[in-house]
Amino acid sequence: DTEVTQTPKHLVMGMTNKKSLKCEQHMGHRAMYWYKQKAKKPPELMFVYSYEKLSINESVPSRFSPECPNSSLLNLHLHALQPEDSALYLCASSQDEGTGSDTQYFGPGTRLTVL
Amino acid sequence: GQNIDQPTEMTATEGAIVQINCTYQTSGFNGLFWYQQHAGEAPTFLSYNVLDGLEEKGRFSSFLSRSKGYSYLLLKELQMKDSASYLCAVKDSNYQLIWGAGTKLIIKP
Repeated sequence: DTEVTQTPKHLVMGMTNKKSLKCEQHMGHRAMYWYKQKAKKPPELMFVYSYEKLSINESVPSRFSPECPNSSLLNLHLHALQPEDSALYLCASSQDEGTGSDTQYFGPGTRLTVL
Repeated sequence: GQNIDQPTEMTATEGAIVQINCTYQTSGFNGLFWYQQHAGEAPTFLSYNVLDGLEEKGRFSSFLSRSKGYSYLLLKELQMKDSASYLCAVKDSNYQLIWGAGTKLIIKP
């Protein structure tokens, strides 16, 4: 089973709203990732959690706040977003962060629109 | 700097064969991945190469030449459902995935 689930599938929010994106995996993976993807561009890494600890933060604005409550769950809290933050937000997981063959499996994504 | 190059777009005919090339220059190399991504959907894993040579998986094959910094994805017996973007990604010396911009493959009947 290589399933990563994400909710919601679509989200429309105003610039003053607070919302959260959720991601879950039950593959026993110990690394989890948030990516942002704009149309016709490759995924852009935002955050990496390894063994429930934040290991990489790619200089993401503080209006994006990740949280890893346990090894199966990953949240992305959103606050005071800008219209340019509209994108597909992808969650991925992998077995272990530090090996070459370690493969990332992606969830279906959340399509976010900021008005 | 780190750089991965792929053609932006390719067109092929249903039932034919197509080869999508990827060249890379990265700080270190810990393997190369190919992902398929249909429009509006998530990337799905296709293949991983770390040693030189050809890896075959059904209709899809992936080739790697480390000395040339080159890989290709070969798709045989093309089907309409193969219309998608194909992303090449390399793991660098820090085990970070460096992504190419993707190749949009259009299949015509």
